[in-house]
Amino acid sequence: NAGVTQTPKFRVLKTGQSMTLLCAQDMNHEYMYWYRQDPGMGLRLIHYSVGEGTTAKGEVPDGYNVSRLKKQNFLLGLESAAPSQTSVYFCASSYSTPGQPRGEQYFGPGTRLTVT
Amino acid sequence: GEDVEQSLFLSVREGDSSVINCTYTDSSSTYLYWYKQEPGAGLQLLTYIFSNMDMKQDQRLTVLLNKKDKHLSLRIADTQTGDSAIYFCAEIPMDSNYQLIWGAGTKLIIKP
Repeated sequence: NAGVTQTPKFRVLKTGQSMTLLCAQDMNHEYMYWYRQDPGMGLRLIHYSVGEGTTAKGEVPDGYNVSRLKKQNFLLGLESAAPSQTSVYFCASSYSTPGQPRGEQYFGPGTRLTVT
Repeated sequence: GEDVEQSLFLSVREGDSSVINCTYTDSSSTYLYWYKQEPGAGLQLLTYIFSNMDMKQDQRLTVLLNKKDKHLSLRIADTQTGDSAIYFCAEIPMDSNYQLIWGAGTKLIIKP
């Protein structure tokens, strides 16, 4: 059981470049999330998915797109990277809804992205 | 608006107890969570407490919930060097639409 995995671990982009971050989970979880973590701040939710083929906006969705074509994968795309998107990105998954039994989230190891 | 507040740092001696505090604003929160983040790693769920409980104990960890003051604490008994990490508390308000509200994290520093 690998849990939640993320690729790549590190990436440096130039302003205006695009990239896709991949998240995979092998726990058969319905719910998946993308967060960003910035120094001195709590995690902020970018987008989330409540099941295969569905996505929804979180707290800070601007500049990002997501797709969930397969239940086990959740992709985060940056179409035109900006220095403000320099951050550590975490993917998470959960069996059920936050606030319900088995709603606790399991996290991947993170992707450190620098935009110059 | 909703907010979760934590002190940014806590320093304790090895072998002492650590108490990490968290205050939250939404009284409708159902679950409150504690996560641990070791350097260079993702967040790992440590424990959680349901809002109708006052206390939960799990080996060296004790969670206390004071609903009146909206105060949550995590006590780590016999703190070890392996407990060095950042500890995040998070709440899930009833009407949050899947969105956890996270504190900024408390960095626990262990002195020998």
